Amino acid sequence: QSALTQPPSASGSPGQSVTISCTGTSSDIGGYNYVSWYQQHPGKAPKLMIYEVSKRPSGVPDRFSGSKSGNTASLTVSGLQAEDEADYYCSSYAGSNNPYVVFGGGTKLTVL
Amino acid sequence: EVQLVESGGGLVQPGGSLRLSCAASGFTFSSFWMSWVRQAPGKGLEWVANIKQDGNEKYYVDSVKGRFTISRDNAKNSLYLQMNSLRAEDTAVYYCARTLMATLYYWGQGALVTVSS
Repeated sequence: QSALTQPPSASGSPGQSVTISCTGTSSDIGGYNYVSWYQQHPGKAPKLMIYEVSKRPSGVPDRFSGSKSGNTASLTVSGLQAEDEADYYCSSYAGSNNPYVVFGGGTKLTVL
Repeated sequence: EVQLVESGGGLVQPGGSLRLSCAASGFTFSSFWMSWVRQAPGKGLEWVANIKQDGNEKYYVDSVKGRFTISRDNAKNSLYLQMNSLRAEDTAVYYCARTLMATLYYWGQGALVTVSS
């Protein structure tokens, strides 16, 4: 069982928007602004899409956005494209106590 | 261009040992925390360990404490994970990642470790 809770699946049609939630506790998501989101295509390494709740690394399309409210973080993908179909994982800093970083169980995003 | 290349994976018997390496290039290795993250077949991501720039601060997930050791050689731009007393549940793809405040900015392609008799 993962420390952060994500829905196992999400879907949307091309051009639509989809939001994936990630629920933790006051010891991780709620306590720090170090929430990240990673995209993973089959057989590939994860790729950072969002860091520090809502910041996008260089090269990540602005269709990807992040937010946080209390103990829940969210990733929104707007204007869905076929290449967005992938697994998405959230993570959060959880303090210097164990574990240092916690992940969600992952959400399979399907573009219909 | 940041590059992280893992090596050293393979098949090992339960109770055995293996040492993973991660060769870094394209950035000043000694300026960054580094992490190991693993992914069991068909499963999600699990943070394993991380290490500070000078190697003097290390953190481990409970399930590997006392069995795994993370280390680095800044002169060789390399990160290591010594894995002892391996168990079937350690079977996974192991990724090294450049880290800043718990954010895993760049990832290697991964090294598969299979623990089986």
